[in-house]
Amino acid sequence: EAGVAQSPRYKIIEKRQSVAFWCNPISGHATLYWYQQILGQGPKLLIQFQNNGVVDDSQLPKDRFSAERLKGVDSTLKIQPAKLEDSAVYLCASSTGSMGTEAFFGQGTRLTVV
Amino acid sequence: LAKTTQPISMDSYEGQEVNITCSHNNIATNDYITWYQQFPSQGPRFIIQGYKTKVTNEVASLFIPADRKSSTLSLPRVSLSDTAVYYCLVGQWGKLIFGQGTELSVKP
Repeated sequence: EAGVAQSPRYKIIEKRQSVAFWCNPISGHATLYWYQQILGQGPKLLIQFQNNGVVDDSQLPKDRFSAERLKGVDSTLKIQPAKLEDSAVYLCASSTGSMGTEAFFGQGTRLTVV
Repeated sequence: LAKTTQPISMDSYEGQEVNITCSHNNIATNDYITWYQQFPSQGPRFIIQGYKTKVTNEVASLFIPADRKSSTLSLPRVSLSDTAVYYCLVGQWGKLIFGQGTELSVKP
C-alpha cells in the first residue's frame, strides 16, 4: 500500500515570497491533516479536513496560510507571504476517519525562510 | 481535549526493557490512547493504540489501568534503532494533538 506522498521535500525561499506544498493521502482515507513542526517541538495541527470539509482550522494563521482539498483527495497548503518564523517541517497525514486516532504521516517538507 | 504529560527525556541501554509513562488525568470516556514514534527527518509513525487494559503488537505493549488516567508504553529489548521521540496522544475520531514527547536515547 502506498503511503502519504508529499512534495517538495525541501524548499528555501526569501521572506515575503509565497510557497505551496502538495499532499497525496493514502487512497480511501477520508481525513487529511496538515501539521507544522518547529525544530525541537511536537507537531502542531494547522488544519484537519474530513473529505472536502474543514473540521478544525483553529490554529491556521489565516492571514497568510491557506489550504484546500479538492474532490476530497489531494491537498495543497500555501503560505503567502512567508515570514522567518514559518521555517519548519510541514507534515501531511491521513486517516480512515474512524473512532480512533491512528494516522499515517508523510515524510514532510522542510521549509527554510531566509 | 485531554492534556498529556510525559517525561521530556529518558536514557536506556541496548537489550533493556523501556517503559514510558504518560499521564492524562482528564481523559474523556470515549478517548483512545495512542503512541507515535518519530525519527529525525521523518514524520511520526503509529506504534500502538488502546482503550483499556493491555494491548500488545509486534513492536510494543500498552498498559492502561482501570481508571485510564495514565498509560505506559513498554518497549521490550530496545536497540540503538529505537532512539527516537515518543508521543502519547489522547483523543477520538481522528483528533490528533501532539505534546512535547519523550526523547528516548538508547546507548550501546
